[in-house]
Amino acid sequence: DIVMTQSPDSLAVSLGERATINCKSSQSVLYSSNNKNYLAWYQQKPGQPPKLLIYWASTRQSGVPDRFSGSGSGTDFTLTISGLQAEDVAVYYCQQYYSTPPAFTFGPGTKVDIK
Amino acid sequence: EVQLVESGGGLVQPGGSLRLSCAASGFTISYYWMSWVRQAPGKGLEWVANIEQDGSEKYYVDSVKGRFTISRDNAKNSLYLQMNSLRAEDTSVYYCVRSRDGNNYDAFDIWGQGTMVTVSS
Repeated sequence: DIVMTQSPDSLAVSLGERATINCKSSQSVLYSSNNKNYLAWYQQKPGQPPKLLIYWASTRQSGVPDRFSGSGSGTDFTLTISGLQAEDVAVYYCQQYYSTPPAFTFGPGTKVDIK
Repeated sequence: EVQLVESGGGLVQPGGSLRLSCAASGFTISYYWMSWVRQAPGKGLEWVANIEQDGSEKYYVDSVKGRFTISRDNAKNSLYLQMNSLRAEDTSVYYCVRSRDGNNYDAFDIWGQGTMVTVSS
């Protein structure tokens, strides 16, 4: 199975500042035939289900504010929140959906708080 | 409104069984791969199983193979998870989720609110 790791485990950022979360997969999730990275990012607020933010590593889901952006390729990925808002306090998970047969694995999560 | 609503969770003794249901509204599940994802209390997310549009292909995480069965009834616009031989480590919130765009290998774009399963004597 592909193992996903995230860093840091938690971070505290001042309102309006940038938050950066890293995600690493144990093997590449880039499918060469379509040049797509099978990597998603989710946001989970307390007491709520996760919400899809980013798919194909860098495509923002409809309705997601443009302060959220995803980047990276192969095994190393980043979620950036540019200009942290109070409502962005949450746990963020990366997920790979590359494995065949399906064994879609999530990272352990990164908790984002306000400094 | 596109929505998934789970039901069927509860307290069950180790070795017992439970059947979870997920009712979809606002879209037709027959066009989509559907999955169950779980989250133990205070822990991260774990994909459990998924099922193809017509139910012919099903996949499971190793830890539930032979104990859990995913199924669907497209006529009822519903997804199910039959859980047998339950263990304490199956204690989790179980989420019904939709794979976006009709693809198996794709992100999960719609999540239900979840139903809690507690396995304890």
